Amino acid sequence: GAGVSQSPSNKVTEKGKDVELRCDPISGHTALYWYRQRLGQGLEFLIYFQGNSAPDKSGLPSDRFSAERTGESVSTLTIQRTQQEDSAVYLCASSETVFLGTQYFGPGTRLLVL
Amino acid sequence: AQTVTQSQPEMSVQEAETVTLSCTYDTSESDYYLFWYKQPPSRQMILVIRQEAYKQQNATENRFSVNFQKAAKSFSLKISDSQLGDAAMYFCAFGGSQGNLIFGKGTKLSVKP
Repeated sequence: GAGVSQSPSNKVTEKGKDVELRCDPISGHTALYWYRQRLGQGLEFLIYFQGNSAPDKSGLPSDRFSAERTGESVSTLTIQRTQQEDSAVYLCASSETVFLGTQYFGPGTRLLVL
Repeated sequence: AQTVTQSQPEMSVQEAETVTLSCTYDTSESDYYLFWYKQPPSRQMILVIRQEAYKQQNATENRFSVNFQKAAKSFSLKISDSQLGDAAMYFCAFGGSQGNLIFGKGTKLSVKP
């Protein structure tokens, strides 16, 4: 079946603007994850969803970041009042189960804040 | 807290040769998974191989195999008969009870023709 998809592929925005990043997981996958990857770095965990609930939001870098998931499907990561340090690739992954599940990744959204 | 360490920032291998990428981790959990992901310049994270901690047998996927030493908390990836398409960043990752994956900083693999 189809893999994880993300949109947009690339996003350029001005400092202070809000952005929305979208993730469509593999159909039937209960768990959905957001990670951030700064240039030349590893992946930094942001948040995960079990169904439509996010049990742990402590990975979000600041209160400018928020995420939601609806219909146990699509998820949106919103960054308000973007800053230059928000520039990164944002990766989404999904898995059948939250615990001990294999995560399959989307192609990511590259965000550049000018 | 769990940590994952990849001590080789860069590695190089000749085409058709074998290379081993190192990974160590730290955890107090007994039930977990370990993964190797490949990230080519396209930035898509591709699952290479997975190892369940309760399995003693090392996982193998075609030219890719792991050496899983649970007591030593070591999880190395061996790539046999290296191909030009193997050139990429390789990330080791730990998956336990917390749900999310913990990633190492990655190893950049170059393949020389």
